[in-house]
Formats: sequence, C-alpha cells, structure tokens
Amino acid sequence: GAVVSQHPSRVICKSGTSVKIECRSLDFQATTMFWYRQFPKQSLMLMATSNEGSKATYEQGVEKDKFLINHASLTLSTLTVTSAHPEDSSFYICSASRDSDGYTFGSGTRLTVV
Amino acid sequence: SQKIEQNSEALNIQEGKTATLTCNYTNYSPAYLQWYRQDPGRGPVFLLLIRENEKEKRKERLKVTFDTTLKQSLFHITASQPADSATYLCALDGSGGYQKVTFGTGTKLQVIP
Repeated sequence: GAVVSQHPSRVICKSGTSVKIECRSLDFQATTMFWYRQFPKQSLMLMATSNEGSKATYEQGVEKDKFLINHASLTLSTLTVTSAHPEDSSFYICSASRDSDGYTFGSGTRLTVV
Repeated sequence: SQKIEQNSEALNIQEGKTATLTCNYTNYSPAYLQWYRQDPGRGPVFLLLIRENEKEKRKERLKVTFDTTLKQSLFHITASQPADSATYLCALDGSGGYQKVTFGTGTKLQVIP
C-alpha cells in the first residue's frame, strides 16, 4: 500500500531556531501533500497544501513566513518552522493521496520548543 | 458555519459487542466521507471512504453508513476487540471537489476485555 514517511519523529529545539520536517511518499508520486498540526486532544487542523513545483496554499491564520513549505519533487515536501517559539510546540503531520480512496499520513513529528 | 461533530466523550464498550460512533455535519455537501483511526502519538490511518451516492459500506468488521438527508455517518465495529481501542476520526471533503479534507475532533473508543 501507499507509504508516507515523515522525519524526524521527535525534535526538541531552542526558542529562536528553525526546524525542518520532511515528508516523503515512498512508493508513489504525490503532486499534492498536506500539512496538519494537532494539539493535545484536538483534531487535525490543516495548515497548508503543498503543491509540487509551485507555491504552497496556506489556510487562513497560518503565517506563511513562519511555516515555510517546499515541494521540490513529486516525492518530497518539507515544512520548516522558522524562529520557533514554545507556542509552536505541537504534533505536525503530513499526508498525501495516491488514489481516490483516502489519504495516507506520515507518522507525525512531535516538536517541542524550549 | 461548517461543523463536523463527533461525540467528544469517550466510548467504553465490552469486548465482543458492537461499537457505534457518530459523525454529524452541518453546512457541508460532501461528495464523500472518510473514517480514520488514530493511535496516540501517531498519524491517522485510513479505514473507509463512502461516497454521497452510497448508503453503506463494509470492510471486514467495519461498517459505515452515510445519510446525506440527516447529514450523518455512523461507524460500526462488530465483535470489538481491545486492539480496536483508539480514537476514530471522520473527515469530509471540501466544497468544489477540492482535495482538502476537514476532520472532526474524533471519538476515543475503549474496548474493555
């Protein structure tokens, strides 16, 4: 089946530094990938839609300069949290769809900013 | 405004019984509805997709119904097992056939041995 690999699974960084999260589709090509964040006991909130070869589409209220998305190839999208602050601590998850039936999610990245 | 509502209370059920989870939505006209399972600290795992012209769909011990008049989907797990304990999320597609989906808050299911 379709596999989406996300790395790293956990990261702790200092306030003010940047963190890059990678999302790879291992056995299929994904022209579109999605980035979500999830706070404890809450649902997934879509942050942005990553489009291969073009600019990402951000949801309302998501700062595009803070959450940089690059989708340089059909199998890789990256999310960079720039100048991270403790309030950016969250669970970040990417997803992609291989076909018309459902989405495949990465295993998520737990970001802790100290 | 658009809303997707799932019972926020945890559902506790005895092993072997049928678990039924509810997903209600307002101000949506989804072409399809999806159900996912999420374990703590993990990404969601796709379970089933049901389209607007389908009333029911089954996969092994899972059954999903979709009533576009009531704007409701029911998710059933028959012969539930402790391994079914997880949070279950429903998700609806956006308007205009766009790929974006929106998730409900999920219902935590606990199957008691």
